[in-house]
Amino acid sequence: AQSVTQLGSHVSVSEGALVLLRCNYSSSVPPYLFWYVQYPNQGLQLLLKYTTGATLVKGINGFEAEFKKSETSFHLTKPSAHMSDAAEYFCAVSDQASYDKVIFGPGTSLSVIP
Amino acid sequence: GAVVSQHPSRVICKSGTSVKIECRSLDFQATTMFWYRQFPKKSLMLMATSNEGSKATYEQGVEKDKFLINHASLTLSTLTVTSAHPEDSSFYICSAWDSYEQYFGPGTRLTVT
Repeated sequence: AQSVTQLGSHVSVSEGALVLLRCNYSSSVPPYLFWYVQYPNQGLQLLLKYTTGATLVKGINGFEAEFKKSETSFHLTKPSAHMSDAAEYFCAVSDQASYDKVIFGPGTSLSVIP
Repeated sequence: GAVVSQHPSRVICKSGTSVKIECRSLDFQATTMFWYRQFPKKSLMLMATSNEGSKATYEQGVEKDKFLINHASLTLSTLTVTSAHPEDSSFYICSAWDSYEQYFGPGTRLTVT
């Protein structure tokens, strides 16, 4: 069975500081991994995804994530936080690249301090 | 990108009544849609997979007789919460894949009084 853990339910960073949101997964098959962002009372927006190929994935809004199979991790980073980055972030895993159900982690709430 | 809509965006109903939530893929066809439930400050819990023209597949622990799913066309899936109770109050989100990406609806806030 697939599962996702996200270390830290809440992360606070200063504006301009590095953002690091941690994600570890468990999967019996090669995983497809996703990061989503959710703003209050809204649906989810895809930030980036890893399917195959290059392990460093670049997404929207300056975010990137690196797939590390040996560590079963897919941490999300951004070099410089912006106030607009404050939101809820979800890491997710799927068995397939598309058309399959996605299992979400518990989420990390990111606060950006001016 | 593709758009998934939900209607209504928020609904308040009395305990014991039923409420229907619609999920539409606006500019693509979706043979499969997914329904999620999200509690306040919590993650999304997959409730069921909605399959066009066939029965939905429910996740373990989800009452299929309470959460009725109908996927009548390639662009519409509906979730009906039957005999709603206050504990059914939640944020319900649907999603659908186009050929590349999964798109999420904006969610429906259900409050049962």
